[in-house]
Amino acid sequence: DTAVSQTPKYLVTQMGNDKSIKCEQNLGHDTMYWYKQDSKKFLKIMFSYNNKELIINETVPNRFSPKSPDKAHLNLHINSLELGDSAVYFCASSQVAGKTQYFGPGTRLLVL
Amino acid sequence: SQQGEEDPQALSIQEGENATMNCSYKTSINNLQWYRQNSGRGLVHLILIRSNEREKHSGRLRVTLDTSKKSSSLLITASRAADTASYFCATDALDSNYQLIWGAGTKLIIKP
Repeated sequence: DTAVSQTPKYLVTQMGNDKSIKCEQNLGHDTMYWYKQDSKKFLKIMFSYNNKELIINETVPNRFSPKSPDKAHLNLHINSLELGDSAVYFCASSQVAGKTQYFGPGTRLLVL
Repeated sequence: SQQGEEDPQALSIQEGENATMNCSYKTSINNLQWYRQNSGRGLVHLILIRSNEREKHSGRLRVTLDTSKKSSSLLITASRAADTASYFCATDALDSNYQLIWGAGTKLIIKP
């Protein structure tokens, strides 16, 4: 069974659209994260959730909003998509913050 | 946020040779972690070394940590084609609210 799963794997959409990416972990971890990896492979933390409480929120546009219906899920909603949002988005989880992180396979977002 | 730095940015060696990658960071840490990312995949945790440890082994991997120089190295011995990937270091800095700070990665190519 996949430990951290994301859907969809690929997402191609037009500028201005609203989209969501889903993430689920079956590891029983307390902390989940969203990362953005750009074309140069830099990993940027966007959000992390610990027991449904937001504990990190980097300088991310408010068009991006995380939603956690329960401890096992952390979804990412993006409003009014822009060309610069094109990247690979990774979900990850860890038992506790700061320790080993387990990554999903990534969602490749292309905004046209 | 601060980022660690890795060098080299890219490394190409013959199968069977040893590969060494370095990581430098800027602030005091709780631990340092190394991850591997195969092309088109999510990151996979390789090894975690705590700030009070100087060396750690896992199979063909050897990690060293020098907190006085704020640097770490990852050595892969007897490299194989399957080791071709990007390798990232990440630090759990003392003042980072448990946010992992990521390096830019080293792209390793093992030539058969």
